[in-house]
Amino acid sequence: KAGVTQTPRYLIKTRGQQVTLSCSPISGHRSVSWYQQTPGQGLQFLFEYFSETQRNKGNFPGRFSGRQFSNSRSEMNVSTLELGDSALYLCASSLRGGESTGANVLTFGAGSRLTVL
Amino acid sequence: SQKIEQNSEALNIQEGKTATLTCNYTNYSPAYLQWYRQDPGRGPVFLLLIRENEKEKRKERLKVTFDTTLKQSLFHITASQPADSATYLCALNNNDMRFGAGTRLTVKP
Repeated sequence: KAGVTQTPRYLIKTRGQQVTLSCSPISGHRSVSWYQQTPGQGLQFLFEYFSETQRNKGNFPGRFSGRQFSNSRSEMNVSTLELGDSALYLCASSLRGGESTGANVLTFGAGSRLTVL
Repeated sequence: SQKIEQNSEALNIQEGKTATLTCNYTNYSPAYLQWYRQDPGRGPVFLLLIRENEKEKRKERLKVTFDTTLKQSLFHITASQPADSATYLCALNNNDMRFGAGTRLTVKP
């Protein structure tokens, strides 16, 4: 079966612009989580969506937002881009949400590498 | 504050030896802990999961231990090979999944 697909894979933006990243989860997976990965900070949790509802949110400013559609596909948006937003943005899908009592194993996409100039 | 710390940023070992990576956490009470592998330019890939009531889990050359008293997990790769070279991440559930910064393992032939 197809894995987690993220688009675009690479993009370059300038400060002040906004960007939208897309994630298509594995078929049947209802949970989508987003992470930001930088060399200095590692994998930082952004937010998790489950059945179109944001379940949890990490410690990021309001410029970072997301949504999930009825087919479980998800998008995240970053507005007013700053140089520090340059990072690899990873999306992961899972069968269950993070609050589930069952184990939540994540399947990651290859990521979208954002460069802000 | 909550922290997940992986003992070293980088670990170099000789082929055939056992690699041991450490994950320590504070102010978490995870029901389970996971280990992932990440290769350059790719997303992390799930390797193993161990629950709080399990002391040890094995999968082929991989072994994970979980000590909830010490708040520590050890990840072992026995008979290491150059193909095992990658960054290894531990992750805890906290309503959502939180990751350590990772340890970059290099296995030299």
